[in-house]
Amino acid sequence: GAGVSQSPSNKVTEKGKDVELRCDPISGHTALYWYRQSLGQGLEFLIYFQGNSAPDKSGLPSDRFSAERTGGSVSTLTIQRTQQEDSAVYLCASSFGSGGMATGELFFGEGSRLTVL
Amino acid sequence: GQNIDQPTEMTATEGAIVQINCTYQTSGFNGLFWYQQHAGEAPTFLSYNVLDGLEEKGRFSSFLSRSKGYSYLLLKELQMKDSASYLCAILQGYKLSFGAGTTVTVRA
Repeated sequence: GAGVSQSPSNKVTEKGKDVELRCDPISGHTALYWYRQSLGQGLEFLIYFQGNSAPDKSGLPSDRFSAERTGGSVSTLTIQRTQQEDSAVYLCASSFGSGGMATGELFFGEGSRLTVL
Repeated sequence: GQNIDQPTEMTATEGAIVQINCTYQTSGFNGLFWYQQHAGEAPTFLSYNVLDGLEEKGRFSSFLSRSKGYSYLLLKELQMKDSASYLCAILQGYKLSFGAGTTVTVRA
């Protein structure tokens, strides 16, 4: 596609339920990131995928969070047993990831707004 | 984190100039980036600095001083559409770490 696509755009769920958020990156981009943005806060790094390398999961806030990237393209972020503090906008971004400054030129999706009641 | 600090809010008049400062406490990094984020939208890349000095891109310029741990984004000839949040970010390896952002409001 022309840009990074995320779904759903909005998700309201009850505390304790599991949710899945999907990201379809720009074709040809090898690097894929998930960030979380809470109201009035900066972007919090969650996880990074680069090609076939092991992902950097250092930003995942708890073991309730997991992510995978299939075939080097589409990624799914899963939050199990959601809590109210998980409410935020989850942003996916991709880049060429070739090293150099192009690595920092991230193309973001519109985000998935998660509300946990 | 990298302790990236930016002012929370700034207000300026249409046609004026605004300078958004960003300070950080980290020594080794590849580059410093600026992103723009309109309310309810995705962040979009504006500029980056690798070496000390000024990078100019039309009405927007960004400056970096590594020795002072300091950067700024300069917005000239402000337009109403420039009302947005401006995010300072540091690239270390493949990881881009963001500040909380500065919300700029442009008034007529």
